[in-house]
Amino acid sequence: EAGVAQSPRYKIIEKRQSVAFWCNPISGHATLYWYQQILGQGPKLLIQFQNNGVVDDSQLPKDRFSAERLKGVDSTLKIQPAKLEDSAVYLCASSLAGASQNIQYFGAGTRLSVL
Amino acid sequence: QKEVEQDPGPLSVPEGAIVSLNCTYSNSAFQYFMWYRQYSRKGPELLMYTYSSGNKEDGRFTAQVDKSSKYISLFIRDSQPSDSATYLCAMRTDSWGKFQFGAGTQVVVTP
Repeated sequence: EAGVAQSPRYKIIEKRQSVAFWCNPISGHATLYWYQQILGQGPKLLIQFQNNGVVDDSQLPKDRFSAERLKGVDSTLKIQPAKLEDSAVYLCASSLAGASQNIQYFGAGTRLSVL
Repeated sequence: QKEVEQDPGPLSVPEGAIVSLNCTYSNSAFQYFMWYRQYSRKGPELLMYTYSSGNKEDGRFTAQVDKSSKYISLFIRDSQPSDSATYLCAMRTDSWGKFQFGAGTQVVVTP
């Protein structure tokens, strides 16, 4: 079974530029999560989708971050404009619906450096 | 105060020793408790998942939850160098709740 795919693996940009990350979840997984993991910290949830609807985006900095999940499958996360403090690993995870939602599968992440 | 507290380590143990990891939390509504392993430059991988209080064993891994003390533990028996990684605890209130992660404990198992 293929895992959660993310691209790109690495990205270096200058502050005030924009950047986009892509995630393809495991086939059949209704729930998709985007996390931000700053060095030395645990992942912090940015947004959670159930199919193509948003379940929780309370910690998403909506003035600069946006995310969408068209057709309930792939998802993109965008930052515009980027700030230095956005340097982090952006992790995508997916899970089945129902009780199996507690079992998340993570991608390898996109490492973003903002200079 | 963070909802989930975890000592960042590093925790260094000799091969074959028992690794003992723990997290404390403040939200008594947490019901689901997970332990993840994260290798360098990789995404977290689920190791153990427990619901409410009690113990759960899977091979060399044992997870314990003490809801009265708001304390969870992970024990790794017969540790191997391949167990060297960062271990993250995570918890949520229900199947729709937000996962709250600890900061992770770095474990180094020396041959």
